[in-house]
Amino acid sequence: EADIYQTPRYLVIGTGKKITLECSQTMGHDKMYWYQQDPGMELHLIHYSYGVNSTEKGDLSSESTVSRIRTEHFPLTLESARPSHTSQYLCASSEYGKLFFGSGTQLSVL
Amino acid sequence: AQTVTQSQPEMSVQEAETVTLSCTYDTSESDYYLFWYKQPPSRQMILVIRQEAYKQQNATENRFSVNFQKAAKSFSLKISDSQLGDAAMYFCAYTYGGSQGNLIFGKGTKLSVKP
Repeated sequence: EADIYQTPRYLVIGTGKKITLECSQTMGHDKMYWYQQDPGMELHLIHYSYGVNSTEKGDLSSESTVSRIRTEHFPLTLESARPSHTSQYLCASSEYGKLFFGSGTQLSVL
Repeated sequence: AQTVTQSQPEMSVQEAETVTLSCTYDTSESDYYLFWYKQPPSRQMILVIRQEAYKQQNATENRFSVNFQKAAKSFSLKISDSQLGDAAMYFCAYTYGGSQGNLIFGKGTKLSVKP
C-alpha cells in the first residue's frame, strides 16, 4: 500500500541550528500539508502545496519554510531553531478530500 | 468563521460497550465534508470515517458510524463493541468544497477503553 513517510521520527537539537524535516509520499498526490500539533492539542495548518512549485502559508503563522520541487517530496526547514519551535510536526497528502498522514516528527529544541 | 468544536476532552468506555463522541461545527458553506480521524499513542493519524454534507444517509464503517444532523451542525461518532485498540485521540475535522482540501480540526477527544 502506498504511504507517506516522515524523517526523522524524533529530533533533539540546540538553539540556532538549521533543520530540515523530510516528508515523502508515494501516492502521486498533488496536495500536501504540514500541520503543527502540541501535546494533547488540535492540529494547526502551517503550510500547504497544491503541486510542484506551489506553496502557501497556512492558518498558523510559522517561521518555517517549505519547498515543493518534486511531487513526492515536501520538506520543511527551520533556518534557526528556537525552543518555541518544540512541537510535533505532521505531514499529510490528500486526494478527494481524504488526508493521509505521516507518523510525524517530534522536535525538541533545547 | 468556520470552527469545529469537540466539547468532551476525555471519554471512557468499557470494552464491548458503545460510546458516542460529540462534534459540532459552524459554517455558511453548503458543499462541505466532515471527518473523524483517530490518532493512537503511536501518533500516526488515520481516517476513521467521512461524511459528505449533501448525503442524507449517515456514513458507516464497520463498528464506526456517525449521526449527521445538518440543521443542528452536529456530527457525532458512535463506536460500537469498543475494543482496546480503539483507545486514542479522536479528532473531528471539516473542509469545504472551495478550500482545496485544507482541513479544520477540533481540539480532540481522548478515548480510554477499560478492559
